[in-house]
Amino acid sequence: EAGVAQSPRYKIIEKRQSVAFWCNPISGHATLYWYQQILGQGPKLLIQFQNNGVVDDSQLPKDRFSAERLKGVDSTLKIQPAKLEDSAVYLCASSLGRGGTSTDTQYFGPGTRLTVL
Amino acid sequence: AQKVTQAQTEISVVEKEDVTLDCVYETRDTTYYLFWYKQPPSGELVFLIRRNSFDEQNEISGRYSWNFQKSTSSFNFTITASQVVDSAVYFCALSEDSSASKIIFGSGTRLSIRP
Repeated sequence: EAGVAQSPRYKIIEKRQSVAFWCNPISGHATLYWYQQILGQGPKLLIQFQNNGVVDDSQLPKDRFSAERLKGVDSTLKIQPAKLEDSAVYLCASSLGRGGTSTDTQYFGPGTRLTVL
Repeated sequence: AQKVTQAQTEISVVEKEDVTLDCVYETRDTTYYLFWYKQPPSGELVFLIRRNSFDEQNEISGRYSWNFQKSTSSFNFTITASQVVDSAVYFCALSEDSSASKIIFGSGTRLSIRP
């Protein structure tokens, strides 16, 4: 079974530029997550989708970050304009998303390492 | 508020030694889930274990074992007879929602196994 795919793996941009990351979840997974992992810290949830709807985006800096999952499969995360403090690894994860009280396991992709100069 | 503390930033041991990674959590909920994830140099987080708050039974999986103690709010992870391939960053995490989807991660412990 193919895992979570992300691209690009690495990106270097200058501050105030724009950047986009792509994620393809495991086939059949309804729930998709984007995390930000700053060096030396644990991942922090940015946004959670259930199919193509947003479940939680409370920690997404909406003035510069946006994310979409138009067809309920692939997702893109965009930063516009980037700041120095956005330098981090952006991880995508997916889970079955069975809902209710069923517990889910999140499977993570390899991440995109963003460096903002 | 929920919080996960991994006080050990880095640990280095010689191969075949046993090593324990500490995890202390804070939560006001009586129902919650605890996790351990491994992050090898390749970057992706690998799920190791999930425990719910009603199951304090310790678990063993091969060389890995987990000790869950609600009395001390700890969920420690022990690797027995460590191997070089165990070198990675290990994260302890907590979720308070019923589907265990919203996860709060600790800051991680970097484990280095020297040959």
